[in-house]
Amino acid sequence: GAVVSQHPSRVICKSGTSVKIECRSLDFQATTMFWYRQFPKKSLMLMATSNEGSKATYEQGVEKDKFLINHASLTLSTLTVTSAHPEDSSFYICSARDAERGDSYEQYFGPGTRLTVT
Amino acid sequence: GQNIDQPTEMTATEGAIVQINCTYQTSGFNGLFWYQQHAGEAPTFLSYNVLDGLEEKGRFSSFLSRSKGYSYLLLKELQMKDSASYLCAVLDSNYQLIWGAGTKLIIKP
Repeated sequence: GAVVSQHPSRVICKSGTSVKIECRSLDFQATTMFWYRQFPKKSLMLMATSNEGSKATYEQGVEKDKFLINHASLTLSTLTVTSAHPEDSSFYICSARDAERGDSYEQYFGPGTRLTVT
Repeated sequence: GQNIDQPTEMTATEGAIVQINCTYQTSGFNGLFWYQQHAGEAPTFLSYNVLDGLEEKGRFSSFLSRSKGYSYLLLKELQMKDSASYLCAVLDSNYQLIWGAGTKLIIKP
């Protein structure tokens, strides 16, 4: 149980275009989802916390107009990288908390999306 | 500020035991997680400690001392598949996970 999927797993796009990444909880409902970015050999950097039906909470230094997050349902959150530039190339990972386990703060991670902007 | 320290890299031999340390200074504490991450993959949950002491789960054990701001992950009977990065993360007073940079563990035959 507690499986999270991400799509696409890899994407290459041209500079100036937008890319949408989907994160789905497959066998549980997730009121809260998280979006992380990870640079090579570095730890996870939290970008934003996404709550179903409300606006995402962005971490300091993360541009909300560039990284659009939508959490429209209890099983789906999307991250759209708008007007992508080469410096946006990174490994993007989402995670989710199980809404049924309110006392657990364990996060279940998706397999990640490797974004390359040329 | 909030800070979590782990060694950057460790090397161990197949079949041996290795201990990965994690020290933390955070605004509040609501538990500590250990995750395993293989290269190019997402992290997977290993353990969660909120009370002092040792939690054993098969070949992996995790220890916590809240007074010392210290935890370790102990891996026994090392296997080649244990080669991965091990991430320490603390749940702070706002129930937000603060991540360490991870320890890359290299297992040699």
